[in-house]
Amino acid sequence: SQQGEEDPQALSIQEGENATMNCSYKTSINNLQWYRQNSGRGLVHLILIRSNEREKHSGRLRVTLDTSKKSSSLLITASRAADTASYFCATDPILTGGGNKLTFGTGTQLKVEL
Amino acid sequence: DVKVTQSSRYLVKRTGEKVFLECVQDMDHENMFWYRQDPGLGLRLIYFSYDVKMKEKGDIPEGYSVSREKKERFSLILESASTNQTSMYLCASSFEGEWHGELFFGEGSRLTVL
Repeated sequence: SQQGEEDPQALSIQEGENATMNCSYKTSINNLQWYRQNSGRGLVHLILIRSNEREKHSGRLRVTLDTSKKSSSLLITASRAADTASYFCATDPILTGGGNKLTFGTGTQLKVEL
Repeated sequence: DVKVTQSSRYLVKRTGEKVFLECVQDMDHENMFWYRQDPGLGLRLIYFSYDVKMKEKGDIPEGYSVSREKKERFSLILESASTNQTSMYLCASSFEGEWHGELFFGEGSRLTVL
């Protein structure tokens, strides 16, 4: 079963607006990561937040993590048309026996319109 | 920059054929992974390897096998392709020292089984 579930499944906004995507997960984690995927391409790592961190920034990206609620959010500020892509959260559950076995959600499809 | 190269972007095969998907990474990563991606199901882990000649089953290994004879190369094998194996296949790698760090993905191989 999927560990992470993104919400919403799809999001359409205007250029310049902020985009917020949420991820919920089920079990305790070592860290949570966000990836981006352009249509038909591979995934690209955006940001990693560890379980003892609450917020992290990278450029126009802001990620929060609430381990008590088992949820995370990704905020993209001042969105651009080039941000149009699918965004996935991936969790690294504790007690998987190592091996970096990330579990991915089903993704949020973001469309940024001019 | 880390590069993960998948040998074929698009393949069309017939039911019952043996299919090889090749993946090569150029950054001396110990860990390598094969995922498949299907709409609505996200990414699911098929197999992974944390060393040469080592392999571990992921969440959906049935119908697949893998080979890792050299550190840089991780092959996914479909012994007898079936139509339900039509999918996008994604290879990824990561550092041994970062068991729980980011994955570097290839561009994907879209397989159609007729």
